[in-house]
Amino acid sequence: GENVEQHPSTLSVQEGDSAVIKCTYSDSASNYFPWYKQELGKGPQLIIDIRSNVGEKKDQRIAVTLNKTAKHFSLHITETQPEDSAVYFCAASPEGVQKVTFGTGTKLQVIP
Amino acid sequence: EPEVTQTPSHQVTQMGQEVILRCVPISNHLYFYWYRQILGQKVEFLVSFYNNEISEKSEIFDDQFSVERPDGSNFTLKIRSTKLEDSAMYFCASSVWAANYGYTFGSGTRLTVV
Repeated sequence: GENVEQHPSTLSVQEGDSAVIKCTYSDSASNYFPWYKQELGKGPQLIIDIRSNVGEKKDQRIAVTLNKTAKHFSLHITETQPEDSAVYFCAASPEGVQKVTFGTGTKLQVIP
Repeated sequence: EPEVTQTPSHQVTQMGQEVILRCVPISNHLYFYWYRQILGQKVEFLVSFYNNEISEKSEIFDDQFSVERPDGSNFTLKIRSTKLEDSAMYFCASSVWAANYGYTFGSGTRLTVV
C-alpha cells in the first residue's frame, strides 16, 4: 500500500517568512495529493490539492509543487501569519481507491 | 458553508462496552469515511462507504467495527467491545464524488476507553 513520509515534524518561522513542508510517497499509481490543515480541537480542513497531470498549483499565499519522477510534493506558504499556525498533513491517493493515506504531520508555528 | 456534524464530541466508556459514534455527512455527498487519530499521531483510514456498502477498509477495521447508514442522513461507526487501544479521535468525512475530490471532515469524537 501507499506510504507517505512528511518532513519536518515541527517548523517555526517568523511572521512574514515563508514555510515549506515536504512529502514523499511510495505508490507510483497515486495521482491525487491533498493538503490538510488541522487546528487545535478541529478536524482536518482541505486547503489545496494537486493532481498528477500538473506540476504546480497556487492559491493566494499557498502553493503546491509535485515531482512525479522523484515521487515528492511540497507545500509552500508565503508571507506567513499567526493564523497559519496549525498542524499540516499531506496525503496521497491512487485513482479508483476510496481512501487517502496521510503523512505524519508538520506542526507549524508562526512567531509574531 | 455545509458541515459534517459529529456527535458526541467526547465519549468515555468502559473497556468491553459497545459504543456508537454518529455522523451527519453533507447532504449531497455520496462517499462517507471514518478515520481515526491517536493522540499526536497521523490520521489513519478505517473505512469508506458508498451506495450502502463498504467500498474499502483497513486492517484496523476488524470484526469489532461496523458501519451503518440507518437512514438518509446519519452514518454511524459501532465498536462492539472497546479496548484501551481504541482510545483516539474519530473523524467522519464525506466527499461529493470520491476520495480524490477532497474530503470534508467533521470536528471529531474523542473516545476514551477506561
